[in-house]
Amino acid sequence: DTAVSQTPKYLVTQMGNDKSIKCEQNLGHDTMYWYKQDSKKFLKIMFSYNNKELIINETVPNRFSPKSPDKAHLNLHINSLELGDSAVYFCASSPRGDQPQHFGDGTRLSIL
Amino acid sequence: GEDVEQSLFLSVREGDSSVINCTYTDSSSTYLYWYKQEPGAGLQLLTYIFSNMDMKQDQRLTVLLNKKDKHLSLRIADTQTGDSAIYFCAESGNSGYALNFGKGTSLLVTP
Repeated sequence: DTAVSQTPKYLVTQMGNDKSIKCEQNLGHDTMYWYKQDSKKFLKIMFSYNNKELIINETVPNRFSPKSPDKAHLNLHINSLELGDSAVYFCASSPRGDQPQHFGDGTRLSIL
Repeated sequence: GEDVEQSLFLSVREGDSSVINCTYTDSSSTYLYWYKQEPGAGLQLLTYIFSNMDMKQDQRLTVLLNKKDKHLSLRIADTQTGDSAIYFCAESGNSGYALNFGKGTSLLVTP
């Protein structure tokens, strides 16, 4: 029973394309997040949502647009992909803000 | 932004204890965390400590928190080869809605 699940696990695409990553949690949590892990393993917050409302948008280019249709889902859509977008993207959730966050397995995005 | 610092690499022999250290700057964090990442895998929440505690023990894991010095450590007793991974220290910062991570400590356990 996967608690935080992301799809796809791997995404290989060309520069300029538009792609989406889906995230779902079955933990009943109110808060969901997207993090980016770069090639040096550094993790940085991108967005956080609480009950479908945007709480944090951490200076992410507006090519990245999160969408939360309900509190169990937080999807990430990326327009006009660039080489620098290559990274592992992690979704996470917590019961509410400032509580332990549980992470998905990550989506490895490679831009050709 | 606030900084979380960790040493990048630690090597220990199987059966020894490992101690991974972390310093942070944001004293408003409610919780401090340790996450484990195995190669090619996601982030596993290993343990966490509430900021008004100074120690937490969970089987082979001991977390020590020194709030005055803003120092967090993770001790793994009887380290096994399966403990080889990257260990990330994280603090919840001012808003609580974002984790600030250290750069991770790569733990190598040799037989």
